Amino acid sequence: DAKTTQPPSMDCAEGRAANLPCNHSTISGNEYVYWYRQIHSQGPQYIIHGLKNNETNEMASLIITEDRKSSTLILPHATLRDTAVYYCIVRVAGSHGSSNTGKLIFGQGTTLQVKP
Amino acid sequence: DAGVTQSPTHLIKTRGQQVTLRCSPKSGHDTVSWYQQALGQGPQFIFQYYEEEERQRGNFPDRFSGHQFPNYSSELNVNALLLGDSALYLCASSLEQGRMTYNEQFFGPGTRLTVL
Repeated sequence: DAKTTQPPSMDCAEGRAANLPCNHSTISGNEYVYWYRQIHSQGPQYIIHGLKNNETNEMASLIITEDRKSSTLILPHATLRDTAVYYCIVRVAGSHGSSNTGKLIFGQGTTLQVKP
Repeated sequence: DAGVTQSPTHLIKTRGQQVTLRCSPKSGHDTVSWYQQALGQGPQFIFQYYEEEERQRGNFPDRFSGHQFPNYSSELNVNALLLGDSALYLCASSLEQGRMTYNEQFFGPGTRLTVL
């Protein structure tokens, strides 16, 4: 089962910031928070990941609370092309040869609809 | 730089048949994971291959098997197809770096399998 909880759907006006919340209250100290998105009929696309510090890249920003029990993905200026299902995933950084390497556990995600 | 490619894009089979799906990882990647995505659901982890061996497996029956070749490409085989095997099958590649595998996975567009 997924270890994260996300709202099933959200709307955002084009050009405005989209803030997508995620709860991961049982996250362990060695688990990272990952965000992926899936545009209709395509494979999931990596967005960003973080451990405990806030992260920013060309796509988005990731804000992780101090207790690490929740996070927010921020798309600063949403466009119509950002309409997608957004998945928040917690994942262990596995050591070579361990059983925790690579497995992503997807939940239902949040369907973000960006409207003109 | 070629991304992850999968073939075929669509496939129709009947119950009881066998199917083979193929995946070529992103250039430079050495690890391949397979996921099954039923309509309206998030992707579910099937298994992962590294160094031509199955390293980790999700909760899927033995009818699901795979293989990784020396060039890192991979196949997913499903025997005795059931109606419930109808889904989008996604391949994702990643790169082992040192002892830790927290790298993002790059997904292909998927193969849409329909079982009649």
